Amino acid sequence: NAGVTQTPKFQVLKTGQSMTLQCAQDMNHNSMYWYRQDPGMGLRLIYYSASEGTTDKGEVPNGYNVSRLNKREFSLRLESAAPSQTSVYFCASSGGLAGFHTGELFFGEGSRLTVL
Amino acid sequence: KNEVEQSPQNLTAQEGEFITINCSYSVGISALHWLQQHPGGGIVSLFMLSSGKKKHGRLIATINIQEKHSSLHITASHPRDSAVYICAVSLIAGGTSYGKLTFGQGTILTVHP
Repeated sequence: NAGVTQTPKFQVLKTGQSMTLQCAQDMNHNSMYWYRQDPGMGLRLIYYSASEGTTDKGEVPNGYNVSRLNKREFSLRLESAAPSQTSVYFCASSGGLAGFHTGELFFGEGSRLTVL
Repeated sequence: KNEVEQSPQNLTAQEGEFITINCSYSVGISALHWLQQHPGGGIVSLFMLSSGKKKHGRLIATINIQEKHSSLHITASHPRDSAVYICAVSLIAGGTSYGKLTFGQGTILTVHP
């Protein structure tokens, strides 16, 4: 079972470049999330999507955009990358019926992004 | 003050020892998650619980809603248990779920052979 698949696993960008992180889940989950993980900061929510067609900001949305393309896919875009966006990014999904963050979480393997 | 506090921050054990990691939170919750992250690796959900106790293999998670406290126990620890263990909660305040997951800072566990 694939679970949550995110690509790419590694990426190096120059300041000002753009890129999209792709995420797909095959568990028919309603809710999907993008987190970033920085040393000493723990996991922080960037954006989430409680259901297909909806997206909302999390704790640290500035500099990012998202698209919930369909129930399976949730992408994260950096329009103009900055060194402060150097981080490890995790996509996750959950299938809770009562709303987001109410089901068990399934994470992707992570994407390590470096912005020079 | 963080809404989710884990202790200890670092834990070193010898193979075979019984390990306990603690998580305390400050307001009502709808659910608590225990996650595991190996060095340089992905994050795996170990447990999601809102009451009582759950067991999976050598891992046991308990939660005391009244005391706002959860523990993760590892019996007969093994070097492959070395990882960061993260507690996360979905908070409730004023009778309404925020729907927001708040993470502890993690406990770094090292088990020596």
